[in-house]
Formats: sequence, structure tokens, C-alpha cells
Amino acid sequence: AQSVTQLGSHVSVSEGALVLLRCNYSSSVPPYLFWYVQYPNQGLQLLLKYTSAATLVKGINGFEAEFKKSETSFHLTKPSAHMSDAAEYFCAVSWYGGSQGNLIFGKGTKLSVKP
Amino acid sequence: GAVVSQHPSRVICKSGTSVKIECRSLDFQATTMFWYRQFPKQSLMLMATSNEGSKATYEQGVEKDKFLINHASLTLSTLTVTSAHPEDSSFYICSASAGTATSTDTQYFGPGTRLTVL
Repeated sequence: AQSVTQLGSHVSVSEGALVLLRCNYSSSVPPYLFWYVQYPNQGLQLLLKYTSAATLVKGINGFEAEFKKSETSFHLTKPSAHMSDAAEYFCAVSWYGGSQGNLIFGKGTKLSVKP
Repeated sequence: GAVVSQHPSRVICKSGTSVKIECRSLDFQATTMFWYRQFPKQSLMLMATSNEGSKATYEQGVEKDKFLINHASLTLSTLTVTSAHPEDSSFYICSASAGTATSTDTQYFGPGTRLTVL
């Protein structure tokens, strides 16, 4: 079965430090990959998505992610964390033509940013 | 960006009653709407996909007679939890897309509805 694994349910970094949120997927077919951010009491907001173009994808708020087929990974990074980055982050995959383009989500990683 | 609203944001009901949750796309026409359920510390699980004017497609294990979905217009979809029980308590999230269910158009998510069944 297709699945998405986010390593670490909670990641804590200091303000200004590198942010690295991990995401691995299981599939023999390259999927479409997404990162969403959810602030408290708000809906999910799309940060970035990979749809088989450039493997390094730049998103909003300074985030980027790199698709590595050999590692089946799509880790999210940001060079310097800001207090406003504290939120929950979800990795999601979609297999076009498979499950009707539906998104399969990871369990989420809560990012805390310390001053 | 596109905005999706949900109403109510929070609802508490008694066991055995029915609850309706609305999902609206405010500034675009949503050809497809998705309903998800999120348990505490769990990922979002797709419940069903609905297209305007047609019957919803339910994921395996989701009871269609319990979770009634109506996508009456291009801007509104409703989820009705019928005869709710405590185990139905969860966070229900909808998303809307201007594309079809087989496309990779961005899904825009609503803020979610917290349902508590006593």
C-alpha cells in the first residue's frame, strides 16, 4: 500500500537555525509530492509541490524541498527558522491516474521555534 | 490565494443526533471537493470525493449511509454525520479543487470542524 512517513512528530529548533523536516514515501511509481503547513485553528496551506519538473522545489516563506528518487524522499528545509514558522507541517503524495489524484498524508511534524 | 470556509468550526451534539457541516469555496468554482477526517496525532484520512451534481465516491471503509455528502453547487458541499456516536468525534476537514478528481490541481483546505459527540 502507498504510504507516507514523516520522521519525527515534533521538531524543535532555535530561531535562525536550519529547519529540516523529513518525508519518505513508498512507491515504485514517482508520485506528485506536496508539503502543507497548518497554523493553529487554520486550514492547510500549500507550501510547495513537486510534479516531475525540477527536483529542487522552492516554495513560499523561504522553504524548499528536494525530490530524491533514489532515497524516495522529499525533505523540507529552510536555512534560517523564524518564530512565525512554528506550525504543523504535513507531507502528502498523490499518484496521478491512480487514486484519482487523492492526497495521502503523513502524520505531520510539529515544528517549534525557540527564541 | 483561494479561500475555503467551513461552518461550523466547532460543534457538540448528543449521541443519536445528526450534524451537518458545510464547506464553501469563496472565490472560485470547486469542481471537486474532498472530505477528510483527522484523529488526534494522526494524519488526514480521505473519506470521500465529491463532484458537483453527482454522487460522492467513498473510500473503502467509510459508510456512505452514515456520512452523507451533497455537492449541490460549484461552491458548496455538505457532510452530514447521521446518528452520530462518540466514536464519530473527530476533526473534519474539507478541501476544494478547481480541477477534476484525477487532476493534480491544488487542493485548498478549509479550517476544519471539530465534532464532539457526547
